[in-house]
Amino acid sequence: ILNVEQSPQSLHVQEGDSTNFTCSFPSSNFYALHWYRWETAKSPEALFVMTLNGDEKKKGRISATLNTKEGYSYLYIKGSQPEDSATYLCGQNRDDKIIFGKGTRLHILP
Amino acid sequence: DSGVTQTPKHLITATGQRVTLRCSPRSGDLSVYWYQQSLDQGLQFLIQYYNGEERAKGNILERFSAQQFPDLHSELNLSSLELGDSALYFCASSTSGGTEYEQYFGPGTRLTVT
Repeated sequence: ILNVEQSPQSLHVQEGDSTNFTCSFPSSNFYALHWYRWETAKSPEALFVMTLNGDEKKKGRISATLNTKEGYSYLYIKGSQPEDSATYLCGQNRDDKIIFGKGTRLHILP
Repeated sequence: DSGVTQTPKHLITATGQRVTLRCSPRSGDLSVYWYQQSLDQGLQFLIQYYNGEERAKGNILERFSAQQFPDLHSELNLSSLELGDSALYFCASSTSGGTEYEQYFGPGTRLTVT
């Protein structure tokens, strides 16, 4: 993998269900991985910065895990709510900059 | 509200023109980053300044330039504008120069080139 890739591109989830999506990145020379939440018509908001292999971070119903050896991170949302509708971006630190994926667009269905 | 301010919110201009986008970082933050979000593109890093000095550069076009002033606000200058420069331009700030820190994004400036 050469770029930061996120899957799926778009996801529809029923309110109350749990969901997860993936960020894949080059595993060599890993330094840090960022997750951001981006609501429509707003600006990206930091969720997590993860640096260590095996890291697990949690903020309310949202959590993330990191595997630097195989080059992936999962973001989990438990019991989805309408306010979780947003685009979730991951970005990898590389050469003093953050390279972002194109995001996973999450739609919560009432 | 992240504490990062950007002006103007919207800008409409013609091809060939020059514009300046302004960003004020959160109080106490020394780093400013500029990003471009185009249609169907992810967030593309343009340039970073730390305490007045350029620290990292992304795929920033030669027609674009930036600077950070002693009061830490930053300006992004876009010249000889082309239709393809139409995009949302974000500024973000962080406490330190390293990109392992959280970045706080401003509301963005939407540039439309006609």
